[in-house]
Amino acid sequence: QVQLQESGPGLVKPSQTLSLTCTVSGGSINSGNYFWSWIRQPAGKGLEWIGRIHTSGSTTYNASLKSRVTISIETSKNQFSLKLSSVTAEDTAVYFCARGRDGYSIFDFWGQGTLVTVSS
Amino acid sequence: DIQLTQSPSFLSASVGDRVTITCRASQGITTYLTWYQQKPGKAPKLLIYTASTLQSGVPSRFSGSGSGTEFTLTINSLQPEDFATYYCQQLHSYPITFGQGTRLEIK
Repeated sequence: QVQLQESGPGLVKPSQTLSLTCTVSGGSINSGNYFWSWIRQPAGKGLEWIGRIHTSGSTTYNASLKSRVTISIETSKNQFSLKLSSVTAEDTAVYFCARGRDGYSIFDFWGQGTLVTVSS
Repeated sequence: DIQLTQSPSFLSASVGDRVTITCRASQGITTYLTWYQQKPGKAPKLLIYTASTLQSGVPSRFSGSGSGTEFTLTINSLQPEDFATYYCQQLHSYPITFGQGTRLEIK
């Protein structure tokens, strides 16, 4: 059974860079035709897709965040990461990592989510 | 961006009821529509993909239908564990977008 686990600081200061890592266990991040995504959810609100990466390194970002987002993958560690620069209070949210299967963004496995608060 | 509008936003029902949630897309997305269930403090759970295919392990009381711009999620004979928030998601075009959610509560 594939499992995903987010990790990273829970508090980030305004204007700084938010950095999170998702560790995949129970299977190789390299096996199969999967895309690995980041999705966030402000408290009491809906879901916002941030972007995705394929094991080939190919990335697709939400245009609304594209200028501030970098998603990378480290297959040797079975991890992929998110960096979001120049954060503001509006970036405060629970951040989820998820697997999109069969070459599509059908998210069949999710991490439990990690709350990141942007505050000084 | 493709906008997804769910209705209703809030639904009150009883155990044993049949409920239907609608998701309307701002443009045609064929059947590139997925449904998720989310409980408080938890990650979303995949229920249905390609509009009508039930994810493995999901009870058969859940069903989905639709194509183009209008889709429905139906839950037959509601069980206590079904009270949650439901989201639709389109994967037809980037950026991937979600509906605003439908909160299903016990009457």
